[in-house]
Amino acid sequence: EDQVTQSPEALRLQEGESSSLNCSYTVSGLRGLFWYRQDPGKGPEFLFTLYSAGEEKEKERLKATLTKKESFLHITAPKPEDSATYLCAVQATGGGNKLTFGTGTQLKVEL
Amino acid sequence: KAGVTQTPRYLIKTRGQQVTLSCSPISGHRSVSWYQQTPGQGLQFLFEYFSETQRNKGNFPGRFSGRQFSNSRSEMNVSTLELGDSALYLCASSLSPPSGQTSYEQYFGPGTRLTVT
Repeated sequence: EDQVTQSPEALRLQEGESSSLNCSYTVSGLRGLFWYRQDPGKGPEFLFTLYSAGEEKEKERLKATLTKKESFLHITAPKPEDSATYLCAVQATGGGNKLTFGTGTQLKVEL
Repeated sequence: KAGVTQTPRYLIKTRGQQVTLSCSPISGHRSVSWYQQTPGQGLQFLFEYFSETQRNKGNFPGRFSGRQFSNSRSEMNVSTLELGDSALYLCASSLSPPSGQTSYEQYFGPGTRLTVT
């Protein structure tokens, strides 16, 4: 059974204090690893898809990396507007569009 | 381009009743997936539809069902509601299911908040 574990569950940062969120996974065969951001009361917002170990993608202050067992979401010099829950999900080969999600990291960035 | 829309946004039902939720995907998207989100279990996959056919199903009881129409709009139905069905129900759309090495981005709607009393 595919499994995704995210850590930490919650993270509080000062504005400008860089950090990383971790997503470890076990999957029968990885087609893709997805990162989403979710704000309270809203649906998840797509951030990145990573397909193979060694791949990296960047968007503004966010950078996602992938190894064979885990993915990291690095947040550089975060701002209060980066506060949200960050979700990681895996898509297995042969599983269609099904995503298996972790429970997320709740990030709060303070002034 | 309009995003994924879901109706209604909020719903209150009583145990034993049934409910139908609707999802309109992004224009041109033909694959629709449904997820249940609860504080305890997080996001869990319900089912996936493409070309009016269910392609994939999660581990939920038969009380949960869905369908997709020729215009790609989708509905999900929950019969004989239980208190534990209270959740945020999310719909996600993508161009199509994965093909070969290609996986398409999935975009989520705002969800329908269902409360069962």
